[in-house]
Amino acid sequence: EVQMVESGGGLVQPGRSLRLSCTVSGLTFGDYAMTWLRQAPGRGLEWVAFIRTKRYGETTEYAASVKGRFTISRDDSKSTVYLQMNSLKTEDTAMYYCTRDRGPSSYFFDYWGQGSLVTVSS
Amino acid sequence: EIVLTQSPATLSLSPGERATLSCRASQSIGSYLGWYQQKPGQAPRLLIYDASNRATGIPARFSGSGSGTAFTLTISGLEPEDFAVYYCQQRSSWPPVTFGGGTKVEIK
Repeated sequence: EVQMVESGGGLVQPGRSLRLSCTVSGLTFGDYAMTWLRQAPGRGLEWVAFIRTKRYGETTEYAASVKGRFTISRDDSKSTVYLQMNSLKTEDTAMYYCTRDRGPSSYFFDYWGQGSLVTVSS
Repeated sequence: EIVLTQSPATLSLSPGERATLSCRASQSIGSYLGWYQQKPGQAPRLLIYDASNRATGIPARFSGSGSGTAFTLTISGLEPEDFAVYYCQQRSSWPPVTFGGGTKVEIK
């Protein structure tokens, strides 16, 4: 059974930093690209960041709204993907989900974590 | 950025009825569309990818159709567990992928 467990969320002041982690089990983590998505309270879904596999250089892509502030990374030895969030803004308040791309160049997400709530407020 | 517009915003139906949800893209996206179901307090679940392919473990009552700019998710006979919010997602212009605003299917 595939499990994806996020951690690291919480309440943080604007301008501060937070790092989310997502540890995956039940699959060969290194074979899959990973994506972070978020959902503001009562709102729809927003794509945040993406990282390819080691085979494809672990290259990354970001939404315009977070580019330059957020960094996605992965540690295949720990089956974990990270989202480093700097210079947080109130509009970053959301539930953050780590997800697995269902296949190479698929960009549809077939496994999701339970979510990690990030609240940015003074 | 491609905009997805879902309609209706809310669909009120009874168990056993057929649900038809629409998703329209601001420009052609081929067949690069997926559908997700989200229940309160839960993460979304992938139902359909590439417009018409059911994801692993998804019941046959869920079907997707369409191409270009107009897409439909059909639930052939609503079960009690199907009352939820449904989102469409495109990957044609990746990055970024974008999502529609959602359709809530509620019990009439």
